[in-house]
Amino acid sequence: GESVGLHLPTLSVQEGDNSIINCAYSNSASDYFIWYKQESGKGPQFIIDIRSNMDKRQGQRVTVLLNKTVKHLSLQIAATQPGDSAVYFCAENSNTGFQKLVFGTGTRLLVSP
Amino acid sequence: NAGVTQTPKFRVLKTGQSMTLLCAQDMNHEYMYWYRQDPGMGLRLIHYSVGEGTTAKGEVPDGYNVSRLKKQNFLLGLESAAPSQTSVYFCASRRQANTEAFFGQGTRLTVV
Repeated sequence: GESVGLHLPTLSVQEGDNSIINCAYSNSASDYFIWYKQESGKGPQFIIDIRSNMDKRQGQRVTVLLNKTVKHLSLQIAATQPGDSAVYFCAENSNTGFQKLVFGTGTRLLVSP
Repeated sequence: NAGVTQTPKFRVLKTGQSMTLLCAQDMNHEYMYWYRQDPGMGLRLIHYSVGEGTTAKGEVPDGYNVSRLKKQNFLLGLESAAPSQTSVYFCASRRQANTEAFFGQGTRLTVV
């Protein structure tokens, strides 16, 4: 696969643990946020999204928390599995002018059996 | 339903050569995006389009041009390739603002 993510922050967990991946966003005008998962050699894959009028949203084994006061987003993965090993990105959508979708730098999640 | 398709998947260019990357989506999406991804840098937005005939600059537009003549296609051009443009390029599309974006599988470009 490609050499993406060699210098990314890494979170190492044991299988079955809960994982928390954090993201600080930059634009207070951002109104929509998405978490993506990227496996080696593949394009980013949608996990979960949240709008700025919400603080929390839950999916299957995943929860996203949004703190607009400090411009912070987190992704919680319950009962982490080896298949969750990947690079995770948050993306923010700005509602000013054209609708840009801008990504954070990402976090590599390593899950040990 | 193919989703987002990028052509080509791999390419090697010599410095100074030109090329066009094609992104095609069959979901009737309004918005399309081109990103580049380098190790440790995440995805950086090059150019994007909010509809047929429109384009806008992203974070790193220099050295690239784009066109959106048809709604389903978004072309990324490199007029004179440089080694600094060696990267993996991703295209994405989405139906409208505040909806998820769907990504292609990427184009690995090497400029020597």
